[in-house]
Amino acid sequence: TQLLEQSPQFLSIQEGENLTVYCNSSSVFSSLQWYRQEPGEGPVLLVTVVTGGEVKKLKRLTFQFGDARKDSSLHITAAQPGDTGLYLCAGAQEGGNKLVFGAGTILRVKS
Amino acid sequence: ETGVTQSPTHLIKTRGQQVTLRCSSQSGHNTVSWYQQALGQGPQFIFQYYREEENGRGNFPPRFSGLQFPNYSSELNVNALELDDSALYLCASSFGGGRYEQYFGPGTRLTVT
Repeated sequence: TQLLEQSPQFLSIQEGENLTVYCNSSSVFSSLQWYRQEPGEGPVLLVTVVTGGEVKKLKRLTFQFGDARKDSSLHITAAQPGDTGLYLCAGAQEGGNKLVFGAGTILRVKS
Repeated sequence: ETGVTQSPTHLIKTRGQQVTLRCSSQSGHNTVSWYQQALGQGPQFIFQYYREEENGRGNFPPRFSGLQFPNYSSELNVNALELDDSALYLCASSFGGGRYEQYFGPGTRLTVT
């Protein structure tokens, strides 16, 4: 059973467009991490959100943690071809020691 | 600061064989977690080692085993390989038993024929 549901599964957009990826769960997480993964490589950590309602910005990327710490979103402004990749959200449960991953969102940005 | 390294990069094995994958943790980290990532899916937690002891295990059979050395590097061993074991195996390095951010290595691509 996948505890974290990511949507959409696949997104193909033109350079310059905006997009939002969602990560939802019925479980509460003590923290949530977003990763970006290129084919054949390991995930690279983008950000960690910890507090309910927290918003973090990383250049054109904006990450938000839901007030109840059950969901999160990643918004990309003016997407570029270099943003292409697999975006994964991963949650750490209270007192737990493992990350629970969503299935990922494949983003393709066309020039 | 040295990042997380894994070896080998690629591996091809035959069903029934055994395999050992290796991971060197990031400098200053004492925790290594192993994940299996099948094609088109997110990583699935196998187990974690913290201070040389197993510190949690996912839903994987006993033929998946591991250990951690005093320098905090780690090995993942898989016995009696099955075709479904074909996947990207990732190790993640962190501090404090996984309560903090985890940093991933490049992975080992295992193909079982």
